[in-house]
Amino acid sequence: DTEVTQTPKHLVMGMTNKKSLKCEQHMGHRAMYWYKQKAKKPPELMFVYSYEKLSINESVPSRFSPECPNSSLLNLHLHALQPEDSALYLCASSQELPTDTQYFGPGTRLTVL
Amino acid sequence: AQSVTQLGSHVSVSEGALVLLRCNYSSSVPPYLFWYVQYPNQGLQLLLKYTSAATLVKGINGFEAEFKKSETSFHLTKPSAHMSDAAEYFCAVSRYGSGNTGKLIFGQGTTLQVKP
Repeated sequence: DTEVTQTPKHLVMGMTNKKSLKCEQHMGHRAMYWYKQKAKKPPELMFVYSYEKLSINESVPSRFSPECPNSSLLNLHLHALQPEDSALYLCASSQELPTDTQYFGPGTRLTVL
Repeated sequence: AQSVTQLGSHVSVSEGALVLLRCNYSSSVPPYLFWYVQYPNQGLQLLLKYTSAATLVKGINGFEAEFKKSETSFHLTKPSAHMSDAAEYFCAVSRYGSGNTGKLIFGQGTTLQVKP
């Protein structure tokens, strides 16, 4: 089973709201990722967690706050977002090595009003 | 530094025709190369991965890719296109990040259109 699940599928929020995106995998993977994807563009890496510790932050604004409660779960907390943050947010996971295959979830379509 | 270039942002083929999607990479170390497919409003699905075990890599849905070091290419092919192959295709190379984690460097993507 190579499934990564994400909830919700769609999210609409105002600029003053606080919301969270959730990602889960049960493949025993030790690395988890958040990507942002705008229409007709490739995914852009935001954060990487390795063994539940934040390993890479690609200079993401602080209005995005990641959290890895355990090895199977990854959250992305959202606060005071801007309309330009509207995008598809993808979660991925992989074994432990940099060259291991990343498996992607279906994404959360976020719209910021 | 690793990078990926996909030649042609849009490719159109007739159903039953050969599919050829081009990808060139640059890497200072032996690369790990990937092809992913993305259907509308979905996540990315792995088609195939090159790991240096064999230069011709077979993937899912009848796709394959050939690694050519001399040309720094990893083109994706399928002998006969099906309507269901219409999607966005991304070539990617992995790059070591900090803390022994990796980063996928994506090409800009190629939209495959299949005409009946």
